[in-house]
Amino acid sequence: DAGVTQSPTHLIKTRGQQVTLRCSPKSGHDTVSWYQQALGQGPQFIFQYYEEEERQRGNFPDRFSGHQFPNYSSELNVNALLLGDSALYLCASSLYEGSYEQYFGPGTRLTVT
Amino acid sequence: RKEVEQDPGPFNVPEGATVAFNCTYSNSASQSFFWYRQDCRKEPKLLMSVYSSGNEDGRFTAQLNRASQYISLLIRDSKLSDSATYLCVVSMFSGGYNKLIFGAGTRLAVHP
Repeated sequence: DAGVTQSPTHLIKTRGQQVTLRCSPKSGHDTVSWYQQALGQGPQFIFQYYEEEERQRGNFPDRFSGHQFPNYSSELNVNALLLGDSALYLCASSLYEGSYEQYFGPGTRLTVT
Repeated sequence: RKEVEQDPGPFNVPEGATVAFNCTYSNSASQSFFWYRQDCRKEPKLLMSVYSSGNEDGRFTAQLNRASQYISLLIRDSKLSDSATYLCVVSMFSGGYNKLIFGAGTRLAVHP
């Protein structure tokens, strides 16, 4: 039973560029949440997807957008990258949208230069 | 004020020591509480849920005081393998959705 998978593992981008990160949830899970973890900080909630819709959103600008596909996998897109976007991006899946038990993927480490 | 605040750490303790971490949360509507463990450059993993009655899992004991909005984690007989960052997490349930709010984490280093 595969857990949550994310790709790519690492990514280096330049300021102003755009990036797309990908996540496949744990088998049987239909809800995906995205978090940003800056160095030395805890993960910060970006948004959550269920039934291909963004259901709730944290305090992140519109440069951060996402998508969920019919197979429950998800993408996180960040436009007009800033140096401050450098972080570990974590995807977490849960069995249903109201579940508090979330399983995290290994993350994508994004460096913006 | 941060929604979840933790001891800044790092805690450097010898093997066999007992160490306690504290955490406070600001929103009294918080409904569920957890401790996650995060190893260096890895993803967070659920260590244990925290209940008002207190709960124990082997060497780990978690306590919740809703009146004081305070959560604690006690680790007895520390092992080298306990070295990690411990994240205090509260869950907010609103409109059918659950959101996890993480503290910044407390780093623990257990030395021989």
